[in-house]
Amino acid sequence: QAGLTQPPSVSKGLRETATLTCTGNSNNVGNQGAVWLQQHQGHPPKLLSDRNNNRPSGISERLSASRSGNTASLTITGLHPEDEADYYCSAWDSSLSARVFGGGTKLTVL
Amino acid sequence: QLQLQESGPGLVKPSETLSLTCTVSGGSISRSSYYWGWIRQPPGKGLEWIGSIHYSGSTYYNPSLKSRVTISVDTSENQFSLKLRSVTDADTAVYYCARHPDMDVWGQGTTVTVSS
Repeated sequence: QAGLTQPPSVSKGLRETATLTCTGNSNNVGNQGAVWLQQHQGHPPKLLSDRNNNRPSGISERLSASRSGNTASLTITGLHPEDEADYYCSAWDSSLSARVFGGGTKLTVL
Repeated sequence: QLQLQESGPGLVKPSETLSLTCTVSGGSISRSSYYWGWIRQPPGKGLEWIGSIHYSGSTYYNPSLKSRVTISVDTSENQFSLKLRSVTDADTAVYYCARHPDMDVWGQGTTVTVSS
């Protein structure tokens, strides 16, 4: 099953800004949008941004999601130690009639 | 507050069928705008979508698992279930249930090990 492409790892310093990317195609990210999930070790994933780039209640305003063409992005400003986690994107693929995930990005806050 | 809870055996023998149930509490599974799905995560690896179901019974499956998977719904019990047939050790994973399409509510996950 074709998945979405995410960089395996990103490292940034405390209080810096990290931008995570998720690349798909016109059948998934390009016309369906992508959700972003955060997962800390040993915990279930948590939704950070929905298909329309909206943050659920309780998600920090330091996080913002966007999309340009077939690439979705998640920007986290003013990095905190607790932002260190795995981040996954996911989108519905209309050609597969299936949901696809990215491989995940491990964000390290130095 | 909507909550999801997975349940089922933690150990399944190779070639047998893995069966899990997700119980929805704090809300009805019969809301038309949502699907209910299963996602798994092998040890040390990323998330893999298994499939999803609407309360009407409409289903979607991961093409790579479709021949072995059945997802069903029981609206009277506010539950939905997963059956994965002919399991191998590659099916060892933490199995999560989540509300779709945005996966905004997740269960805590249940670990399933395939071993004789």
